[in-house]
Amino acid sequence: EVQLVESGGGLVQPGGSLRLACAGSGFTFSRYWMHWVRQPPGKGLVWVSRIHGDGTMTRSADSVKGRVTISRDNAKNTVYLQMDSLRAEDTAVYYCVRGGPGVAADHELDYWGQGTLVTVSS
Amino acid sequence: EIVLTQSPDFQSVTPKEKVTITCRASQSIGSSLHWYQQKPDQSPKLLIKYASQSFSGVPSRFSGSGSGTDFTLTINSLEAEDAASYYCHQSSSLPPTFGQGTKLEIK
Repeated sequence: EVQLVESGGGLVQPGGSLRLACAGSGFTFSRYWMHWVRQPPGKGLVWVSRIHGDGTMTRSADSVKGRVTISRDNAKNTVYLQMDSLRAEDTAVYYCVRGGPGVAADHELDYWGQGTLVTVSS
Repeated sequence: EIVLTQSPDFQSVTPKEKVTITCRASQSIGSSLHWYQQKPDQSPKLLIKYASQSFSGVPSRFSGSGSGTDFTLTINSLEAEDAASYYCHQSSSLPPTFGQGTKLEIK
């Protein structure tokens, strides 16, 4: 059974930093693209960032570019999202999501974690 | 960035009714369109991939169609447990984008 478990969310002041982690199990973690998708309270889904299975290719949304870094440790089956210079508008539930296998990036998001809430407020 | 526009934003429906949700893309995306269901206080779940392929374990009353710019999610014989928000998502080009969502209320 595929499982994704996020951790690291919490309350942080504007300008602060937070590192989210997501542990995957039930599949060959290193074969899959992994994504972060966020959902502000009461609003829709917004893609944040993605990373290839071997960690060599990454992309992030313009709204967070330069402020977030996605990385992974395949030995630990874990993907990370380092978020710096946080703003109030970054407040959201952050979901870790599995993408597709291989090199191609055109794929569905088939398994989602339970989400971790990040609140940016003074 | 490809914009996905869903309609309607909200729909109140009765059990056993047939429901159709549409998703229109601002430019052609082939069949790279996927549908998700999100129930209150839960994470989204994949229903349909590549416009018309059902994901494993999804009830057969859910189906998808379309290509290019116009796509449809159909729920045949709606059940009470289908009360949720539904989102489309395109993976054709960066950045991946989502529709604004359609909330289904069961009367």
